[in-house]
Amino acid sequence: AQSVTQLDSQVPVFEEAPVELRCNYSSSVSVYLFWYVQYPNQGLQLLLKYLSGSTLVKGINGFEAEFNKSQTSFHLRKPSVHISDTAEYFCAVSEGGGSYIPTFGRGTSLIVHP
Amino acid sequence: KAGVTQTPRYLIKTRGQQVTLSCSPISGHRSVSWYQQTPGQGLQFLFEYFSETQRNKGNFPGRFSGRQFSNSRSEMNVSTLELGDSALYLCASSLADLSRDEQFFGPGTRLTVL
Repeated sequence: AQSVTQLDSQVPVFEEAPVELRCNYSSSVSVYLFWYVQYPNQGLQLLLKYLSGSTLVKGINGFEAEFNKSQTSFHLRKPSVHISDTAEYFCAVSEGGGSYIPTFGRGTSLIVHP
Repeated sequence: KAGVTQTPRYLIKTRGQQVTLSCSPISGHRSVSWYQQTPGQGLQFLFEYFSETQRNKGNFPGRFSGRQFSNSRSEMNVSTLELGDSALYLCASSLADLSRDEQFFGPGTRLTVL
């Protein structure tokens, strides 16, 4: 069965600084990977996903992530954050051809300070 | 296009009672999933319905049940409520393939059990 680890529960950063949110997964088969964002009092919204092909995936709001199979990682990056990026970020994995159920990480709270 | 809607948004119940939550997916989406979100456990998958049939199920007791109607609307029922059932319950819809399609989340129903 797959599992997801988000290594940081909270990441504080100043506005306009770059940020990286880390995600590692464990799976014995090929995987599909996702990053979702949750703003206060809202449901989750997809930022980006990796299914196959190019390992660098670009998403909405200037975010991108890189799939690294050898390190079983899918870290999320943004070169310059805004106050409005303050939110909870979730990494998720599902197994291609295996379990159809996505497994979500515990989440990383991104706090952007002015 | 209207998003995923959930009703009610807030519920307060007492132990031993039962509760029914409702979810209307995005038009054209056939898969509806339910998640329980708590600070301690994160997002936990409850079950998924597809074409009125439960297709996937998470590790929750039988007190948690659901159904899907012919118009894809879904309901989730929790019987004999316990204090530990207090959580945000999220509904998500997707086109068809839970493992690779984007999930569109509703704002959730906040259930408090006293």
